[in-house]
Amino acid sequence: GAGVSQSPSNKVTEKGKDVELRCDPISGHTALYWYRQSLGQGLEFLIYFQGNSAPDKSGLPSDRFSAERTGGSVSTLTIQRTQQEDSAVYLCASSPLRAVPGRLFFGQGTRLTVV
Amino acid sequence: QQQVKQSPQSLIVQKGGISIINCAYENTAFDYFPWYQQFPGKGPALLIAIRPDVSEKKEGRFTISFNKSAKQFSLHIMDSQPGDSATYFCAATPDDYKLSFGAGTTVTVRA
Repeated sequence: GAGVSQSPSNKVTEKGKDVELRCDPISGHTALYWYRQSLGQGLEFLIYFQGNSAPDKSGLPSDRFSAERTGGSVSTLTIQRTQQEDSAVYLCASSPLRAVPGRLFFGQGTRLTVV
Repeated sequence: QQQVKQSPQSLIVQKGGISIINCAYENTAFDYFPWYQQFPGKGPALLIAIRPDVSEKKEGRFTISFNKSAKQFSLHIMDSQPGDSATYFCAATPDDYKLSFGAGTTVTVRA
């Protein structure tokens, strides 16, 4: 596709269950980012990939959160033992190697609701 | 702790009016200041951006004003249209990959 694709669009899960969120970046984009958007909180940085490596995981809120990227393309964000405070929109973005800093291409997000 | 403070949280403007959104920051390492526009159900999209060596940048009806000494910058939407109704985020980065976003401003333009 032409843009960043995320799946699923919506996910409702029970507290304590694990969830996996998927991101397909724009083809050829080497950098990939995960952000979390909570109501009234703006966008919170979670993790940054350059290729398959994650040089910055500093935004992951707890060890229940993990992410991986394979083949320099698809990324999966996994949340284990979900809690109600994990409810948010999870946004994935990508950018080319020599991008203008701050020029990110975002997907439409996955809305996660933990009940 | 939010590194970029954005206000107001929401605003309503009449068609043809001017929308003004303000942002402030503390980190003097920030060197690039983009604004993102987000429509409901969509991801944010880059709207306009500025570097601190420029005091103003204009693209169509959108203008960024930058005050380096005050560490403040603002977005002006001139001749606001109903299609401009969206949430706007200011952001800042020290010229690398990590963006710090403001909390967002929901703009509603009434016809």
